[in-house]
Amino acid sequence: EAQVTQNPRYLITVTGKKLTVTCSQNMNHEYMSWYRQDPGLGLRQIYYSMNVEVTDKGDVPEGYKVSRKEKRNFPLILESPSPNQTSLYFCASSLLGLAGKNEQFFGPGTRLTVL
Amino acid sequence: AQKVTQAQTEISVVEKEDVTLDCVYETRDTTYYLFWYKQPPSGELVFLIRRNSFDEQNEISGRYSWNFQKSTSSFNFTITASQVVDSAVYFCALSGDQTGANNLFFGTGTRLTVIP
Repeated sequence: EAQVTQNPRYLITVTGKKLTVTCSQNMNHEYMSWYRQDPGLGLRQIYYSMNVEVTDKGDVPEGYKVSRKEKRNFPLILESPSPNQTSLYFCASSLLGLAGKNEQFFGPGTRLTVL
Repeated sequence: AQKVTQAQTEISVVEKEDVTLDCVYETRDTTYYLFWYKQPPSGELVFLIRRNSFDEQNEISGRYSWNFQKSTSSFNFTITASQVVDSAVYFCALSGDQTGANNLFFGTGTRLTVIP
């Protein structure tokens, strides 16, 4: 089944404790992206990647890191999480980016709480 | 800068009524792409439609239809004969070819409640 998976789905952590949210897709997509969803703000793009070893900042990259060492994986890293990073996080992928007739597939979401 | 405005925060309709969700966008790009996504109560995001700026034809898919008007920078979404399963948060989004290509800018969403 074609899908985007995220782990963990739920995470409660404390300020300053490094964490990684994994994202994996099995569709051989080149483009992957991370978003955060906050009440009243909709979804905002954190980082995206056009292909292996190619990443770029989205709208709200501060406090986050990403890497794209393999085509299928695009982990989101919070080196020193803070309470303002409490949010619902979505990973997404599409075949060739947002241009062209490319549907973007979203993962199920990761709800992160930073105490 | 890219911006998407969904002025309707919440809408309630009675089942079988038609409802239109408004989306107004701002961009300086000449080529851009507009999207609608549905987020049901279970939380996942479901792709509904993607439209590029050169294609102003309206689109219909079953009970769903979209009205794209470049003159008013709007990309409105209409659900005909609404059903309870249509209850969800709906997001409009924009991506441009020149300004931050492959950045996707979402509106704040419209929560639709369909009352049986």
